[in-house]
Order: sequence, then structure tokens, then C-alpha cells
Amino acid sequence: SQQGEEDPQALSIQEGENATMNCSYKTSINNLQWYRQNSGRGLVHLILIRSNEREKHSGRLRVTLDTSKKSSSLLITASRAADTASYFCATTGESGYSTLTFGKGTMLLVSP
Amino acid sequence: NAGVTQTPKFQVLKTGQSMTLQCAQDMNHEYMSWYRQDPGMGLRLIHYSVGAGITDQGEVPNGYNVSRSTTEDFPLRLLSAAPSQTSVYFCASSTQGGVEGYTFGSGTRLTVV
Repeated sequence: SQQGEEDPQALSIQEGENATMNCSYKTSINNLQWYRQNSGRGLVHLILIRSNEREKHSGRLRVTLDTSKKSSSLLITASRAADTASYFCATTGESGYSTLTFGKGTMLLVSP
Repeated sequence: NAGVTQTPKFQVLKTGQSMTLQCAQDMNHEYMSWYRQDPGMGLRLIHYSVGAGITDQGEVPNGYNVSRSTTEDFPLRLLSAAPSQTSVYFCASSTQGGVEGYTFGSGTRLTVV
């Protein structure tokens, strides 16, 4: 079963604007990861946040994690047309092997 | 480094045929996984391996077999293809615990007619 649910399912913005995507999950986690998938391509790892972290930055990406609400958000600042892609959150379980459980993704369209 | 290499990129099978999707990684990663991606469903785990000789089932294992005889290779076998197995298949690998994230292959698009 799907662990996470991304919101919104689709997001359309203009270049230069910020894009915010949210992810909710159901069970306790070890860490939460965000991936990007360009059309017809494999997934690319963007950023990982551990369950004991609340916020993490990487370039134009900012991720927050609220374990009490079982939710995370991904903020992309100053979006570019090249950011157009699907974005997935994925979680690893609290114990044992860290297989990834994915949400259904958010499709982001950044228009020039 | 090539990363994770999947072959073939595209395949059309007839119902009942069998085939093997190949996956190889050159990063000496212990963990390898197979996912399928269907429209509106995200990615679902089929099988995974924590090291050579060790495999286990994921969320949707029926109709698929795996083996892990070497660290580098993790083939996925379709025993008797069905139209419900039409999907895009991704192989992924990671270090122990996956704390650096997973590296994905570029995928195999499979159509079963």
C-alpha cells in the first residue's frame, strides 16, 4: 500500500515563482526522501531528511519534516523551466531494511 | 561510473512468454530493489535484496522471481507474462541503510499483449 500522499497532484507556476509540495505518510519512519522524475526517465534523488531533523536545505531546495503530523514539504525557490518534472516523496521504515515506500507524486509544470 | 544499468529499455511480450529484465550496478551497493511504476500509482516494490544470496518480497511480488548471485547483478524474471504486468520497471541500489538515497536505473518499459 502507498505510504505517502503528495499534495497537490499537479502544480503549475511561472518561472521565478516558488513551488511548494506536501507529503503525508502513515507510519513511523527512519527518514524521508524526495525524488525528481523527468518525463520518461528514472528517478533522481534530491534530498534526504532524517526523522530527528526538522529542516534541511540543498541549493534551491528546502525540506521540512513534522513527525508529529507525519508530514513533509518540499519548497523549490526561484523555479526554472528545467524544474518541470514529477516529484515523489518516499519513506523508509523505522527499523529493518530501508526499502522505500513512495507516494503518488506531484507533477510540477514551470512555464517560461 | 555507469551507476545502475537496466536492459532492455523497451520490450513487447506476448501473454505467457517469459523474460528476464537485467539490472547491474557498479557502485558496490549492498541493497538493490525492483519497482514497477503504473500511471497514478507511484512506484511499488516488487522484490529487494540486502546482499548477495539474500532476497525478499515487496508489496507486489506475484508473477516475478529474483536472484542475487553477485553484488553487482539483480535480474528480475517474469515467469509467464500477463497484460497486468504491462508497466515501467525500475531497478535501484543503495548503500546499507539507504542513508545517501537510492540510485535508479533509467527503466524498462514493458508491454504485454
